Amino acid sequence: RKEVEQDPGPFNVPEGATVAFNCTYSNSASQSFFWYRQDCRKEPKLLMSVYSSGNEDGRFTAQLNRASQYISLLIRDSKLSDSATYLCVVFTGGFKTIFGAGTRLFVKA
Amino acid sequence: SQTIHQWPATLVQPVGSPLSLECTVEGTSNPNLYWYRQAAGRGLQLLFYSVGIGQISSEVPQNLSASRPQDRQFILSSKKLLLSDSGFYLCAWSSGLAGNQETQYFGPGTRLLVL
Repeated sequence: RKEVEQDPGPFNVPEGATVAFNCTYSNSASQSFFWYRQDCRKEPKLLMSVYSSGNEDGRFTAQLNRASQYISLLIRDSKLSDSATYLCVVFTGGFKTIFGAGTRLFVKA
Repeated sequence: SQTIHQWPATLVQPVGSPLSLECTVEGTSNPNLYWYRQAAGRGLQLLFYSVGIGQISSEVPQNLSASRPQDRQFILSSKKLLLSDSGFYLCAWSSGLAGNQETQYFGPGTRLLVL
C-alpha cells in the first residue's frame, strides 16, 4: 500500500461546478497535512494546510479525518484557472514528507 | 520575503556526462533544504535533505550526490548521468525552526533530459 494515495483522475468538470478530492494516508502517526497545486511543467505551490478542525480559504475547503486517515479538498464554483494537478502531502515527522502522485483537474468552459 | 532560485531551467545532457544543479535561497537563514525528483506523471521523490552547512542526508541510494557549501546554497551533482536520471528536479526549503510543521516551498525546478 502506498503511503499516500490519491485518485489520479482526471476530473473533468464544467465551470461553476463543485468538485471534491480525497486522499488516504497509511501512517497513523502523521503530523501535518497539506494540499499543493501544481500547474503543468511548474513547481508545486502550497494551496493550504489542513487542520483537524477543517479550514476554508475562499472557494477551497480542506478537511482531515484522522480516524479514517483521509484528507479531502473541496473546490466550489470551479474556475478555468483551477485546472491543475492537486497534490496531497503528509508530513510524518523528522524530515519525512510524502507527496501523493496528484489528482488532475480540468475545468471546462 | 523569501525566494528560491534554481538553475539551469532546462538541461539536455548525454549519458555518462557530469551534472551540477544549483539552488539558492534568499530572505531566510539556516533553512532546511531539499532535493526532489519528479518523473513524468509521478509523485515527488525525496533525494536529499540538509539541515545545515555540510550536513547532507540521502533518502535514496543512487548515482547522485548533494552538497551544501553555504547556508543558503544547495547543489545536486552526478559524476556520470544515466538515462533514468531524466526528470524534473525540484529544490525546496522549509523553516529550520524546531517543531515547525515542515511547510515546504519549491523553486522553479530544472528539467533534465538525459539522452
